[in-house]
Amino acid sequence: EVQLVETGGGLIQPGGSLRLSCAGSGFSVSSNYMNWVRQAPGKGLEWVSLIYGGGSTFYADSVKGRFIISGDNSKNTIYLQMNTLRAEDTAVYYCVSDLAPHIWGQGTTVTVSS
Amino acid sequence: QSALTQPASVSGSPGQSITISCTGTSSDVGTYNSVSWYQQHPGKAPKVMIFDVSNRPSGVSNRFSGSKSGNTASLTISGLQAEDEADYYCSSYTTSSTRVFGTGTKVTVL
Repeated sequence: EVQLVETGGGLIQPGGSLRLSCAGSGFSVSSNYMNWVRQAPGKGLEWVSLIYGGGSTFYADSVKGRFIISGDNSKNTIYLQMNTLRAEDTAVYYCVSDLAPHIWGQGTTVTVSS
Repeated sequence: QSALTQPASVSGSPGQSITISCTGTSSDVGTYNSVSWYQQHPGKAPKVMIFDVSNRPSGVSNRFSGSKSGNTASLTISGLQAEDEADYYCSSYTTSSTRVFGTGTKVTVL
């Protein structure tokens, strides 16, 4: 089955760190343009980061310098290392493939609160 | 990067056709044919309905179609059905090698 599965979300205090994982199955994430997209409670979609070509990475201004996207081809998985977390980072985080099979994961919830 | 502009809501009766617009700039929609449309039902993950302006992924109904003219992309839903009631978002690649989403449109089937 072709799918993306995100894990790693949870409750974290402001200033803390968290690493999200997105495991792909049925296709190669390293051959795809892989994004992280988030959605704050009751809000719209916000693009967060992109990785492709094994190492080209791009970030939204709101997370630049705090978040790092990376990939592990052997595990067919991408990651989002989130540092210096703020309350406004609270959201459901989705993993998304920009090329075929054009799919989204089910999302993982990150809550930043003391 | 400012969000792409979509109408907050669009409604139609069953069987009718509706069109959702997505207005950007020459730095995103106007330059790239990398416009996608997503459908999101409450509490669910978004689903890709259209990619690269007018292409449908396998399994998506041909009642959904996309187009683009200048800085504005459009999603048309023909033969509107109750199951089409959802939030719809557009997105585009940008000249900064980032992606920007639209503000979102709530579609109501009357």
